[in-house]
Amino acid sequence: DTAVSQTPKYLVTQMGNDKSIKCEQNLGHDTMYWYKQDSKKFLKIMFSYNNKELIINETVPNRFSPKSPDKAHLNLHINSLELGDSAVYFCASSQVSYGTRSGYTFGSGTRLTVV
Amino acid sequence: AQTVTQSQPEMSVQEAETVTLSCTYDTSENNYYLFWYKQPPSRQMILVIRQEAYKQQNATENRFSVNFQKAAKSFSLKISDSQLGDTAMYFCAFMKRSGATNKLIFGTGTLLAVQP
Repeated sequence: DTAVSQTPKYLVTQMGNDKSIKCEQNLGHDTMYWYKQDSKKFLKIMFSYNNKELIINETVPNRFSPKSPDKAHLNLHINSLELGDSAVYFCASSQVSYGTRSGYTFGSGTRLTVV
Repeated sequence: AQTVTQSQPEMSVQEAETVTLSCTYDTSENNYYLFWYKQPPSRQMILVIRQEAYKQQNATENRFSVNFQKAAKSFSLKISDSQLGDTAMYFCAFMKRSGATNKLIFGTGTLLAVQP
């Protein structure tokens, strides 16, 4: 069983379109994240949800909107896609409660290409 | 704000030899965690090793070990008996222990090539 699964793995779309990436974790973790990895491989956090509550919202354009229907799911919707949105998007989860700080478990990433 | 620096963009090592990847970080926190993640060509991010700052003993996981120097804010990764499957991008990362957030801050990565 995959611990953190993202769909789709690849997404090619035209500028101006709207697209969504879905993420699900079956680890029972209470926190989920979206990270963006750019063309130079740099990873930067975009959003974090803890038990469906948004707790981190980095400087990300309003065209990006996360949604967490329950603590096992975190989706990312992107409106009006631009060329600069091309990147690999990673979903991840971790357990934050009880004062511990485990490492993240990552999904396999979604390579988004905007043409 | 915390920052993580990996000064070696690329490294190469012969199979079966030992290699050390460098990482330094900057923080005013006293309690935190440090991680090394591996990203092979498959793109999957894999946790290699984790160190808690309040523990003086260096973490080890099989062929992987760290040299954690808290005063120097240094956290290097040593890979012993390198294998072809170790070829990957390696990321050093920092996480505060306190607070409601659990943000993982990454360095820019070191691309390691293991040569046969």
